[in-house]
Amino acid sequence: SQTIHQWPATLVQPVGSPLSLECTVEGTSNPNLYWYRQAAGRGLQLLFYSVGIGQISSEVPQNLSASRPQDRQFILSSKKLLLSDSGFYLCAWSYQGRTDNSPLHFGNGTRLTVT
Amino acid sequence: LAKTTQPISMDSYEGQEVNITCSHNNIATNDYITWYQQFPSQGPRFIIQGYKTKVTNEVASLFIPADRKSSTLSLPRVSLSDTAVYYCLVVLYSSASKIIFGSGTRLSIRP
Repeated sequence: SQTIHQWPATLVQPVGSPLSLECTVEGTSNPNLYWYRQAAGRGLQLLFYSVGIGQISSEVPQNLSASRPQDRQFILSSKKLLLSDSGFYLCAWSYQGRTDNSPLHFGNGTRLTVT
Repeated sequence: LAKTTQPISMDSYEGQEVNITCSHNNIATNDYITWYQQFPSQGPRFIIQGYKTKVTNEVASLFIPADRKSSTLSLPRVSLSDTAVYYCLVVLYSSASKIIFGSGTRLSIRP
């Protein structure tokens, strides 16, 4: 079976510090990978998605970046955090190319508080 | 990716049937209609998906009219634990790389 791991579960970082959040998927190969952010009481904002190693599409953020160094590893980074980067970060994956329209599968998320 | 419109919030009581409607006028021929449930501090969880007519599983039913321009998620006999945000998406996952969620419907169940 397939599993997705995100860590850490919670993180408190000062403004201006760097960030690295990691997501890994097990039990499948060549998945689509996604990073979403959810502010308190709000909907999910798509940050990045990737269809393959080294292929990253950015949707919104200015000071966040993502990388996919391995097929099932997706990393979200920042060189200098802003207060506005606080939120709930979710990694998700989906199959590529299947005909049964398998949906997104989410990790348990990382609660980031920038102080 | 087809845009969806659903109510911002709904209230109901334990034991009632709850129906949440989603409008998707621009649905493409190959798109599926998918519903997710999200509890606080958790990632969304897939609950049901359909292409046309009616789909039922152990959690919910999904009603899709012939024109597919809307859909209704039906939760039978809700309990307090069904309090969550419900998202409607219209997408073909195998070819879509950019999957965007709307604001969802915040369902509150009262005793």
